[in-house]
Amino acid sequence: AQSVSQHNHHVILSEAASLELGCNYSYGGTVNLFWYVQYPGQHLQLLLKYFSGDPLVKGIKGFEAEFIKSKFSFNLRKPSVQWSDTAEYFCAVIPYSSASKIIFGSGTRLSIRP
Amino acid sequence: KAGVTQTPRYLIKTRGQQVTLSCSPISGHRSVSWYQQTPGQGLQFLFEYFSETQRNKGNFPGRFSGRQFSNSRSEMNVSTLELGDSALYLCASSLEAVYEQYFGPGTRLTVT
Repeated sequence: AQSVSQHNHHVILSEAASLELGCNYSYGGTVNLFWYVQYPGQHLQLLLKYFSGDPLVKGIKGFEAEFIKSKFSFNLRKPSVQWSDTAEYFCAVIPYSSASKIIFGSGTRLSIRP
Repeated sequence: KAGVTQTPRYLIKTRGQQVTLSCSPISGHRSVSWYQQTPGQGLQFLFEYFSETQRNKGNFPGRFSGRQFSNSRSEMNVSTLELGDSALYLCASSLEAVYEQYFGPGTRLTVT
């Protein structure tokens, strides 16, 4: 079955530390990839997306993600986190063949120490 | 532009009852998707509607159903509620394809 894995369930960092959240998917074909963020008390919102082209995509608030096809990965990065980045982060995949069926990872909770 | 709205925001029901949740998409959006979010299973796709037709569905039992009206508003219904249906139900809308979705605040359903 198609799945998305986020191996880090809870990450704790200090402000200004660098961030990398892992995301791996199990699907051999073409995929569309997303990272969503849910800040405390707020709606889920789209951070960034990859459809095709440059595998390094930039999103809002200084986040970026790199698609590595050979590793089936789409890791999220930020060079220097802030306390306001405290949130839950979800990786999501739409396999090209599935039309609109989106598969979410289990999420990674990020806590930033001020 | 108003965001996605969901009503009610909180709901408490008893096992065996049925429930209907409502979602109003962003104006102009024709695709509405529904998700169930629980601590154990995370975010799971329920179904997606586009122009009043179910375009895709996830792996949920037939007790979960939905529909979309001509104004793109959508409802989902859960019949014969079980304790395990307690969850946050999220609705998301997008222009046509699911690719760029805007989520609502969710309806917190508690089944006792």
